Amino acid sequence: DTGVSQNPRHKITKRGQNVTFRCDPISEHNRLYWYRQTLGQGPEFLTYFQNEAQLEKSRLLSDRFSAERPKGSFSTLEIQRTEQGDSAMYLCASSLSQGRGEKLFFGSGTQLSVL
Amino acid sequence: GDSVTQMEGPVTLSEEAFLTINCTYTATGYPSLFWYVQYPGEGLQLLLKATKADDKGSNKGFEATYRKETTSFHLEKGSVQVSDSAVYFCSEQGAQKLVFGQGTRLTINP
Repeated sequence: DTGVSQNPRHKITKRGQNVTFRCDPISEHNRLYWYRQTLGQGPEFLTYFQNEAQLEKSRLLSDRFSAERPKGSFSTLEIQRTEQGDSAMYLCASSLSQGRGEKLFFGSGTQLSVL
Repeated sequence: GDSVTQMEGPVTLSEEAFLTINCTYTATGYPSLFWYVQYPGEGLQLLLKATKADDKGSNKGFEATYRKETTSFHLEKGSVQVSDSAVYFCSEQGAQKLVFGQGTRLTINP
């Protein structure tokens, strides 16, 4: 179990630029989640995949956000035309679907700062 | 939508004190309930869980009981240690996604 890996750890960008984050889940996990966390708040759900299918997207996810999970392995989260309000920690988690009470394994996150 | 409300922090206690962090949820039916913990410099990790009413989750001396009648899942520990200093998140899972509370920062002084 090598854990959930997220890259980069930190990203600083200028407003209006596009950014892309990558998440590598635990290899046998079929579910992958993206969350966003701001200082002093709990993680907010953005979207999740079961294998390569994106099954749910939060209303928080504007048209500038897109996520993919080609071949059901790693996932990317892209933010286009970044805004200062996008500054946050972006967390990825993976799990093995097992009915009730499934345990999510979280990565260390990508800290985005939009200047 | 579903939400989780937990006790506001920060909470500061002395070592060996009794800890309670309150948590209530709004999901209808029988969601699964969790406490996740984030130690300084580390990612979120599962502390304990309960999947049905009256279940008690426990780990590392922490306990929480699933109370359907009060829609609560309060976290307790009888004697805290300095190493318990962290941010604690209560969460519920109704359908697929996990919904988190805002977190409670706990500091334990020696």
